Amino acid sequence: GIQVEQSPPDLILQEGANSTLRCNFSDSVNNLQWFHQNPWGQLINLFYIPSGTKQNGRLSATTVATERYSLLYISSSQTTDSGVYFCAVSSGGGADGLTFGKGTHLIIQP
Amino acid sequence: DGGITQSPKYLFRKEGQNVTLSCEQNLNHDAMYWYRQDPGQGLRLIYYSQIVNDFQKGDIAEGYSVSREKKESFPLTVTSAQKNPTAFYLCASSRERAHGYTFGSGTRLTVV
Repeated sequence: GIQVEQSPPDLILQEGANSTLRCNFSDSVNNLQWFHQNPWGQLINLFYIPSGTKQNGRLSATTVATERYSLLYISSSQTTDSGVYFCAVSSGGGADGLTFGKGTHLIIQP
Repeated sequence: DGGITQSPKYLFRKEGQNVTLSCEQNLNHDAMYWYRQDPGQGLRLIYYSQIVNDFQKGDIAEGYSVSREKKESFPLTVTSAQKNPTAFYLCASSRERAHGYTFGSGTRLTVV
């Protein structure tokens, strides 16, 4: 099956800093999603982005499908951005389930 | 508001018991999923269902069972055959094309 690697595994930043999270995947995909898991375990979908670039406020994401990677950018970090960010992919459209990476644990310090 | 409701939030199971985790959605989504998360790990797929009365095994289905009798409901039973059931269980749903998943708030299962 598809392998998903996320980097870095851990990231500690000061409030206001910018960050870039990376997701590499081992095969072609037609579904790629980014999620944020808060400290209470709730997962929130950030982006559906199998290719191209999207922006939502301080967050943006870019997927280069031909090179098999995706990037999540967080600008002007806030303490509420803390948590774990997951990348998840599927080559079958996603309705047959997503394969998740192990996540990037982000801590934003005040 | 539409969403996914998982219950209970915390569940304690004795060795040898079966337990059932509830997952209900009112988003009119066709597909539903169960994932397991262990500490410091990503999510792993247990079972998924794309339509009523049909479901498929995921990567770690052994020791688990599901049913999909209604579009809104996708309960997961953790059987006594599951050797290490202590984990955080997450239910999700999506439209058929799965453009974006919606997750429930999860059930933390502990074997005592």
